Amino acid sequence: QQPVQSPQAVILREGEDAVINCSSSKALYSVHWYRQKHGEAPVFLMILLKGGEQKGHEKISASFNEKKQQSSLYLTASQLSYSGTYFCGTANQAGTALIFGKGTTLSVSS
Amino acid sequence: DAGVIQSPRHEVTEMGQEVTLRCKPISGHNSLFWYRQTMMRGLELLIYFNNNVPIDDSGMPEDRFSAKMPNASFSTLKIQPSEPRDSAVYFCASSTAWGAFFGQGTRLTVV
Repeated sequence: QQPVQSPQAVILREGEDAVINCSSSKALYSVHWYRQKHGEAPVFLMILLKGGEQKGHEKISASFNEKKQQSSLYLTASQLSYSGTYFCGTANQAGTALIFGKGTTLSVSS
Repeated sequence: DAGVIQSPRHEVTEMGQEVTLRCKPISGHNSLFWYRQTMMRGLELLIYFNNNVPIDDSGMPEDRFSAKMPNASFSTLKIQPSEPRDSAVYFCASSTAWGAFFGQGTRLTVV
């Protein structure tokens, strides 16, 4: 039931864009995105609920395609502060636990 | 709100000893999760409580692990006896329908 994230790692220069994908073999109720910096706890970015919505948070946005059972996180005009490991967490039904993918490591350099 | 509070932040113990990790969730959050994070296995769900009731403990590795949530503001994760392979960062998270928020974690080292 663990979602699959791709790519495993991304290396960017400041100002470049990136897309991180998260897919599940089961129907999804919700997708949560988190960023974790080394030695710190995962930080909540956004939640997408069943309904195919797109959400935005500064220059970070995400989409959720229920039919394809996948979500994508879009990072535009990346900044040094975007570096970290991005996790998607998925729930297959309302009221069930979040299961996390293995993460995508993003490195942004100047 | 102070966020999810975990204690201790670091724990070093000898193999065979009992370890108790503590978590205070965000007030008003009705769900609580315990996760374990290692380089090899990533973020693994150990157990999930909803309204203080354990809903899914299928991720608890073995009988040495137990978790309780006696009330809405406190949960414990106990390992007895501890083994070196239990060394990891243990996170507690609490949530509403709108998102889950993590505590700072407890880094456990079993020597």
